[in-house]
Amino acid sequence: QKEVEQDPGPLSVPEGAIVSLNCTYSNSAFQYFMWYRQYSRKGPELLMYTYSSGNKEDGRFTAQVDKSSKYISLFIRDSQPSDSATYLCAGGGSYIPTFGRGTSLIVHP
Amino acid sequence: EAGVTQFPSHSVIEKGQTVTLRCDPISGHDNLYWYRRVMGKEIKFLLHFVKESKQDESGMPNNRFLAERTGGTYSTLKVQPAELEDSGVYFCASSQDAGHGETQYFGPGTRLLVL
Repeated sequence: QKEVEQDPGPLSVPEGAIVSLNCTYSNSAFQYFMWYRQYSRKGPELLMYTYSSGNKEDGRFTAQVDKSSKYISLFIRDSQPSDSATYLCAGGGSYIPTFGRGTSLIVHP
Repeated sequence: EAGVTQFPSHSVIEKGQTVTLRCDPISGHDNLYWYRRVMGKEIKFLLHFVKESKQDESGMPNNRFLAERTGGTYSTLKVQPAELEDSGVYFCASSQDAGHGETQYFGPGTRLLVL
């Protein structure tokens, strides 16, 4: 079983839609959780960082962590074509993240 | 400020050959990390330098891989001899400190194809 499971997609939505991206994880030692955004031919870029359970909001992005169910979510409001990218979730007990495979998101005009 | 740079962007080599990848971290970042993503898999950690010292090399797959960071600035990752399963994208990242919440800045990666 992979430590972080993520549906690779692609997920295609119209501009303006609310996007929900999800991951599950199996390692109970994970204390912090991250979402990265990766554009084509670029490296991952940290988007959201959350420590332990709870919600964190940053502009149009909201990250949720439910440690009881080992479920991680990223919501994108008012999605834009520029949000089209691969979104990687990650968890960790130390400072080295364990990544999921990433979900490809396509926001079409 | 320049980000993390990696060279080359692409490399195609034959099985058995040697390849050396280079990473230049953000200036002033003591921490440098190597990661790898093989086709269809997750990005996986290879090793972590603090300045010129290897802090954690638990992710290095085998002794065909050699990472160095002489002088604590840029780093090289040598694969010798390369095997087919070494194909993938090799990412380098750097951070000022290492710890919870410390952002690692990734380079664009080197795409390695071993034929």
